[in-house]
Amino acid sequence: QSALTQPPSASGSLGQSVTISCTGTSSDVGNYNYVSWYRQHPGKAPKVIIYEVNKRPSGVADRFSGSKSGNTASLTVSALQAEDEADYYCCSYASGNVYVFGTGTKVTVL
Amino acid sequence: QVILVQSGAEVKKPGASVKVSCQASGYPFTTYYIHWVRQAPGQGLEWMGVLYTDGGSVKYADNFEGRVTMTRDTSTSTAYMELRNLRSEDTAMYYCGREFHADYWFGPWGQGTLVSVSS
Repeated sequence: QSALTQPPSASGSLGQSVTISCTGTSSDVGNYNYVSWYRQHPGKAPKVIIYEVNKRPSGVADRFSGSKSGNTASLTVSALQAEDEADYYCCSYASGNVYVFGTGTKVTVL
Repeated sequence: QVILVQSGAEVKKPGASVKVSCQASGYPFTTYYIHWVRQAPGQGLEWMGVLYTDGGSVKYADNFEGRVTMTRDTSTSTAYMELRNLRSEDTAMYYCGREFHADYWFGPWGQGTLVSVSS
């Protein structure tokens, strides 16, 4: 199972939006609505921010939103704040009852 | 409060084995699966496998099949991940994370255990 493809970096100004893509195949992203997104600050464990493509766990700000089209999922972070500067990873359930993570995107807040 | 607490950092020589623990508290242990994910220095996340805590069955990623064993002790609400025949490329932070049955996402995660492999 190959890693899902994410852009290595993305940036946006304070208060603006940034969108990160996550491209897989018909064996993972394209076939299941079980895409989740994680935010990871340096030296910390990842934390889920989106699950099942577009659902937010309790306590996660509505600035975070997700979507999917075909084999590509996307995460949008609106109204960027300094604390949003972090690494972001997508993850998809895949055929064979396995999971695959994305390559990760470093978000910089300008 | 739901927390997962992992064992401390390990230093191993190539060819050795390491066993990392993940003790859960704040919820019924067998109602959530435990996943293991690793992250090499400066690299991305890699899913290693899942332990179904209710019955003890497992599913491993192909990359680790034959070299990893995931087990649990329900009496102490602890999950274990053992990785054998270590090589330098196994140097990484190892995380456990829980998944409610068929939720398909992980959280919260343990604090991570750094495993260093060096001769």
